Amino acid sequence: AQTVTQSQPEMSVQEAETVTLSCTYDTSESDYYLFWYKQPPSRQMILVIRQEAYKQQNATENRFSVNFQKAAKSFSLKISDSQLGDAAMYFCAYRTLYNAGNMLTFGGGTRLMVKP
Amino acid sequence: DAGVIQSPRHEVTEMGQEVTLRCKPISGHDYLFWYRQTMMRGLELLIYFNNNVPIDDSGMPEDRFSAKMPNASFSTLKIQPSEPRDSAVYFCASSSHSGSSFSEQYFGPGTRLTVT
Repeated sequence: AQTVTQSQPEMSVQEAETVTLSCTYDTSESDYYLFWYKQPPSRQMILVIRQEAYKQQNATENRFSVNFQKAAKSFSLKISDSQLGDAAMYFCAYRTLYNAGNMLTFGGGTRLMVKP
Repeated sequence: DAGVIQSPRHEVTEMGQEVTLRCKPISGHDYLFWYRQTMMRGLELLIYFNNNVPIDDSGMPEDRFSAKMPNASFSTLKIQPSEPRDSAVYFCASSSHSGSSFSEQYFGPGTRLTVT
């Protein structure tokens, strides 16, 4: 079974600064997807960014980018020019390609605080 | 589309009572997932359906929990009898199986259940 670990329960960043959230995972598979979800106080789970394991290029979505290190099984999220609205819980998630469904395995989450 | 709809948004009940949580997936989606979120265990997959058929219910904690999907537009998660340790936020998510290998899961707003 796959496991996802987020070692930082809480992080804080100054507004307009850059912060990196860490995620590691354990799998024996070679092809899979990785995701970062944002959960603001409203509880809504919002997909921030995704990465296909077969792609070497790191995914980027505006101020959000990832550092995907497949050999190290590491998938960190970098938020540039942090904004107050980025304050939320962030969850790293893994999805296998090798079963009929596309269920997600989530990490424990990192609470990001943004200081004005 | 209105997105995934869950009801109720909040439920407070007494121990021993039956609780029914409801979910309407996005129209056209053929996968439906039920997750539970607690501080202790994070986000856990309880069960998922494909074309209204339960595929994997290994995450269902015990026989007190049951889930049904009588048609493509409706699913229920029932707890009978409820216990205080069932207090959590329950999320429903849906996705579609398309020709491409990636299909995003769309989450509902969640139901916060409190069992006293």
